[in-house]
Amino acid sequence: DAGVIQSPRHEVTEMGQEVTLRCKPISGHNSLFWYRQTMMRGLELLIYFNNNVPIDDSGMPEDRFSAKMPNASFSTLKIQPSEPRDSAVYFCASMDRGYGYTFGSGTRLTVV
Amino acid sequence: SQQGEEDPQALSIQEGENATMNCSYKTSINNLQWYRQNSGRGLVHLILIRSNEREKHSGRLRVTLDTSKKSSSLLITASRAADTASYFCATPGGGGNKLTFGTGTQLKVEL
Repeated sequence: DAGVIQSPRHEVTEMGQEVTLRCKPISGHNSLFWYRQTMMRGLELLIYFNNNVPIDDSGMPEDRFSAKMPNASFSTLKIQPSEPRDSAVYFCASMDRGYGYTFGSGTRLTVV
Repeated sequence: SQQGEEDPQALSIQEGENATMNCSYKTSINNLQWYRQNSGRGLVHLILIRSNEREKHSGRLRVTLDTSKKSSSLLITASRAADTASYFCATPGGGGNKLTFGTGTQLKVEL
């Protein structure tokens, strides 16, 4: 298995632009998580899905953020419009019941 | 909010020495997990210890859990330069499968 795959690895965009981050979880994992990591705030859970259904989006900072999981093999995190304070590394992770998370390599987002 | 707090924030040791990191958490848990993060990479799951376990081993890793003190420790024995990374504890919180991660310990192992 190739693990959790995120794209792009790096994204530089201008303030106000729409940004879409993508994630392919490990096949058979029934939970998917989006985290954001910054030096100031550490790792923050944004949203997670069980069986493609959003369970908890209380960590999504604003209405500018949205996430979807149209099927078991794909999820997106969208920021529209983006702002400089959204600059961070965004991680996707998936999990099989009873085991630890498997993280992707992350997307480093820079909003200028 | 952070559930786990690691101590120390940073640790520098010589290759071959042991490294101990501590984690304190706030609420009751049914398990605690440790992860490693190499610079520029995603987190890697190291070990999970359940609330009814006091100690667990995996290779050069030894994890302890004291639920009465709400604390855990991660010991890496005979450290290697390749162990240089940040180490995070994580606990389930708020129901469901979601994990809350601590602030992390940056470990540097020097040759």
